[in-house]
Amino acid sequence: DAKTTQPPSMDCAEGRAANLPCNHSTISGNEYVYWYRQIHSQGPQYIIHGLKNNETNEMASLIITEDRKSSTLILPHATLRDTAVYYCIVSLRHMEYGNKLVFGAGTILRVKS
Amino acid sequence: DTGVSQDPRHKITKRGQNVTFRCDPISEHNRLYWYRQTLGQGPEFLTYFQNEAQLEKSRLLSDRFSAERPKGSFSTLEIQRTEQGDSAMYLCASSSPDRDRSEQYFGPGTRLTVT
Repeated sequence: DAKTTQPPSMDCAEGRAANLPCNHSTISGNEYVYWYRQIHSQGPQYIIHGLKNNETNEMASLIITEDRKSSTLILPHATLRDTAVYYCIVSLRHMEYGNKLVFGAGTILRVKS
Repeated sequence: DTGVSQDPRHKITKRGQNVTFRCDPISEHNRLYWYRQTLGQGPEFLTYFQNEAQLEKSRLLSDRFSAERPKGSFSTLEIQRTEQGDSAMYLCASSSPDRDRSEQYFGPGTRLTVT
């Protein structure tokens, strides 16, 4: 079973920031938080991951609470092309283990003009 | 970086037939994963390879399923005696041996329809 809880759906206005929450209260000390998204009829796409520090890349920012029990993915300026299912996944890094990803149902993000 | 490719993209087969799917990972990636996704659900892990070694198999992978990666490059997933419940999207992913690059890159998937 997935170790994360996400809202089933969210709406966001185009050009505004999209903030997608994720709860992972049972995360262990050596597990990372990964975010992937899946646009309709495509394979999942990696977005970002982190352990305990906040992370930012060209796609998004990841804010992880100090107790690591929850996190928020931020898309700073959402566009219509960001409409997708967003998956928050807790996983060990692959150099120690196989890093198989356990997907939950994810959050359907709808960006509206 | 040409990305992960999968072939075919779509396959329609009759119940009881065998099917084989191919995955070509990103060239320098040593880990290769197979997942299955049914409509409305997130992908489910099936199996993974490190180079040519199959290191883990999910209980979802029944005896009718077999996966190979003979030379540590491309991989094949075969389903024997297909059943209607096998209808799904089959996704392949690969990841780098680089310690700082743990993300998985997914292919476009093979959509299987069993009639």
